[in-house]
Amino acid sequence: SQQGEEDPQALSIQEGENATMNCSYKTSINNLQWYRQNSGRGLVHLILIRSNEREKHSGRLRVTLDTSKKSSSLLITASRAADTASYFCATDSMDSNYQLIWGAGTKLIIKP
Amino acid sequence: DAGVTQSPTHLIKTRGQQVTLRCSPKSGHDTVSWYQQALGQGPQFIFQYYEEEERQRGNFPDRFSGHQFPNYSSELNVNALLLGDSALYLCASSPGNTGELFFGEGSRLTVL
Repeated sequence: SQQGEEDPQALSIQEGENATMNCSYKTSINNLQWYRQNSGRGLVHLILIRSNEREKHSGRLRVTLDTSKKSSSLLITASRAADTASYFCATDSMDSNYQLIWGAGTKLIIKP
Repeated sequence: DAGVTQSPTHLIKTRGQQVTLRCSPKSGHDTVSWYQQALGQGPQFIFQYYEEEERQRGNFPDRFSGHQFPNYSSELNVNALLLGDSALYLCASSPGNTGELFFGEGSRLTVL
């Protein structure tokens, strides 16, 4: 079963614009992570945010977490063509024995 | 420092056959997890190995089995292949049970 639900399923923007993706989940979590996957290849870890954190930054990435709404957002600023990929959120919790439960992903296309 | 390596990268099997996929974890990592990713979906947790034992298992039938060797490398075996087993099989390693996962590029299995 999938815990996270990313929104939108697909997003197409112009290079240089900001991209925002959202993730909602169902149960209380321990950590929430975001990963990127280029066209059917391996996943690359982007950022981990703990349940007691509200915001984290890494370069052009900004992640927020709202545990009251059971949701997170990933903002990519000043997008580049190389950001074209699928983005997944994954959560772990006591309910999942701390195994990661993944959403279906947001497919991001950056148009040059 | 080599990351996670998987072999083979692509393979084609017929229904009823058996397949073995291999994974070498990132140096220093003792925990290996296997995921199945169908096209357009997020990864689904198959099982996790630590100290040569299956520590946790997802909702997959007994046709899926695995092994971890003393050098921490791992194998995923799937018996009696079904068409629905066609997917990208991802191996991920980590220094423990939680936190960031490091993924290989995956083994794409096609069952005809």
